[in-house]
Amino acid sequence: DAGVIQSPRHEVTEMGQEVTLRCKPISGHNSLFWYRQTMMRGLELLIYFNNNVPIDDSGMPEDRFSAKMPNASFSTLKIQPSEPRDSAVYFCASSAPGIRPQHFGDGTRLSIL
Amino acid sequence: KNQVEQSPQSLIILEGKNCTLQCNYTVSPFSNLRWYKQDTGRGPVSLTIMTFSENTKSNGRYTATLDADTKQSSLHITASQLSDSASYICVVLNYGQNFVFGPGTRLSVLP
Repeated sequence: DAGVIQSPRHEVTEMGQEVTLRCKPISGHNSLFWYRQTMMRGLELLIYFNNNVPIDDSGMPEDRFSAKMPNASFSTLKIQPSEPRDSAVYFCASSAPGIRPQHFGDGTRLSIL
Repeated sequence: KNQVEQSPQSLIILEGKNCTLQCNYTVSPFSNLRWYKQDTGRGPVSLTIMTFSENTKSNGRYTATLDADTKQSSLHITASQLSDSASYICVVLNYGQNFVFGPGTRLSVLP
């Protein structure tokens, strides 16, 4: 069975541009999580969805960040406009119902110049 | 304040040796504690999940312990292998589904 699939794997763009990260969770998982990881701050939870509904977005840094989950098999994280301080690795993870492990994708390495 | 601390920050051991990583937390009300392994350039991989009533849980050469009274957990790696070189992250969840991440321990296993 395929794991969590993220695209693109790498993204380099200039500040001010819109960036869209994509995630396909594991089939049958009902929770989806977006994380950001930097050397300085480690792993940070940005937002998570349960059954396609955003449950907690308190980790979203500011209004420039938005996330959607239009259906159970797809989610996007958008940054508009992007800034150099947004440079990080962004991970998507999904999990089945209950106290179950999260399965992470391999991340998108984002560089904002 | 909900917080997770890990020690040591980094560790170097020789292949075949055992090691123990520590995690202390102040998260409440406690729901469960998770250990993840993260290889360089990859996403974290779950090793164990422990709830309040579980003291020990094993996953191959990895054994996690939990002392809910002292709010401490440890991850013991037996007979280390080169492939164990990675960052190990402790994560604690409360009943509000708040995830609190530790900063991780960077383990290097040398031949």
